[in-house]
Amino acid sequence: AQTVTQSQPEMSVQEAETVTLSCTYDTSENNYYLFWYKQPPSRQMILVIRQEAYKQQNATENRFSVNFQKAAKSFSLKISDSQLGDTAMYFCAFMKDSGYALNFGKGTSLLVTP
Amino acid sequence: GAVVSQHPSWVICKSGTSVKIECRSLDFQATTMFWYRQFPKQSLMLMATSNEGSKATYEQGVEKDKFLINHASLTLSTLTVTSAHPEDSSFYICSAKNRGGENQPQHFGDGTRLSIL
Repeated sequence: AQTVTQSQPEMSVQEAETVTLSCTYDTSENNYYLFWYKQPPSRQMILVIRQEAYKQQNATENRFSVNFQKAAKSFSLKISDSQLGDTAMYFCAFMKDSGYALNFGKGTSLLVTP
Repeated sequence: GAVVSQHPSWVICKSGTSVKIECRSLDFQATTMFWYRQFPKQSLMLMATSNEGSKATYEQGVEKDKFLINHASLTLSTLTVTSAHPEDSSFYICSAKNRGGENQPQHFGDGTRLSIL
């Protein structure tokens, strides 16, 4: 079974600063998918960024980027120029293959302060 | 973009009542839908995988007779919490995979807050 570990239960960052959320995972699969989801107080699940394991290039979506280290099984999320609206729970998730369920980490609560 | 509609968004009912939650893919066909449960301040935990036209696959520890899943069409899966009790109070959220999107992410509904009195 795959496990996803987020070692930072809570983090805080000032507006306009950069913050990095960590995620590690354990799997014996060679091909898989990794995701970061944002869950604001509304509890809606919002896809932030995704990474296919076979791609060496780190995914980037505007202010969000990942540092994917396949050998180390690490998948951290960097948020640049943090905004107040980034305040939310962030979940790292692993998917074995297309059509499988997502396996979530315990989440990191991010607070962006003025 | 792909939209998944989940209904109701919030339900409060008495202990012993059965509650049905619907998950619809509005603009795509979903052969597979997933049901997750999220307790306060916790992560999403997979309850079951719903497959169109066949029986659902339940995760260990999830009672299939208590959480009935029906996936009778390519756009609709339902989760029925039978004889609900206060300990079933939780946030239930579904996701759906586009049948034609091998490399596409799953799409989540907005979730259902279930409160059993």
